[in-house]
Amino acid sequence: GQQLNQSPQSMFIQEGEDVSMNCTSSSIFNTWLWYKQDPGEGPVLLIALYKAGELTSNGRLTAQFGITRKDSFLNISASIPSDVGIYFCAGQEGDNDMRFGAGTRLTVKP
Amino acid sequence: GAGVSQTPSNKVTEKGKYVELRCDPISGHTALYWYRQSLGQGPEFLIYFQGTGAADDSGLPNDRFFAVRPEGSVSTLKIQRTERGDSAVYLCASSHTGTSGRKSDTQYFGPGTRLTVL
Repeated sequence: GQQLNQSPQSMFIQEGEDVSMNCTSSSIFNTWLWYKQDPGEGPVLLIALYKAGELTSNGRLTAQFGITRKDSFLNISASIPSDVGIYFCAGQEGDNDMRFGAGTRLTVKP
Repeated sequence: GAGVSQTPSNKVTEKGKYVELRCDPISGHTALYWYRQSLGQGPEFLIYFQGTGAADDSGLPNDRFFAVRPEGSVSTLKIQRTERGDSAVYLCASSHTGTSGRKSDTQYFGPGTRLTVL
């Protein structure tokens, strides 16, 4: 089963608001990743983090690799309607076996 | 260039039948992964290929599931004697080298095959 605890499960926000979601794990990971999945599509990589403490931005998205290597968060600033979708965190320990959280379903109301 | 493609996009079968799901990875990617995604869940790892060989098949749920990649490119996931619990979206991903911790190793996902077992 999955080892990652992702929260919240779902979020309903107004356009323009900021969003924050996070993942925690009982295991240490070498890499943390954040993906977005639209209906009928595969997950698309948003941000990849490779070092403990690393803070990385991609446009309005910011993610951090926790110091303990057991957690990560993703922030989305000034949300827009196209941010709607399911966001997954994923942790990778070695060369394979990437483990995913259960996802955060984001709804943005115009 | 073309991304990861998967066929068919949808497959409906009856309990007990055999199915094959195909994945065409990004050209030049040596690593290929199969995942299974149940409704409301994140993808779960099934198997990882490095070239033609299965480097890690620890995620395959039982011996009804088998995957091949005979020429190190296209892969086929095979499910024998399908059960209703096998219904899920089967995702394929590929990466350049399969070595974690480097940007070149990002996994790129296909759109998935939605398998429904009646």
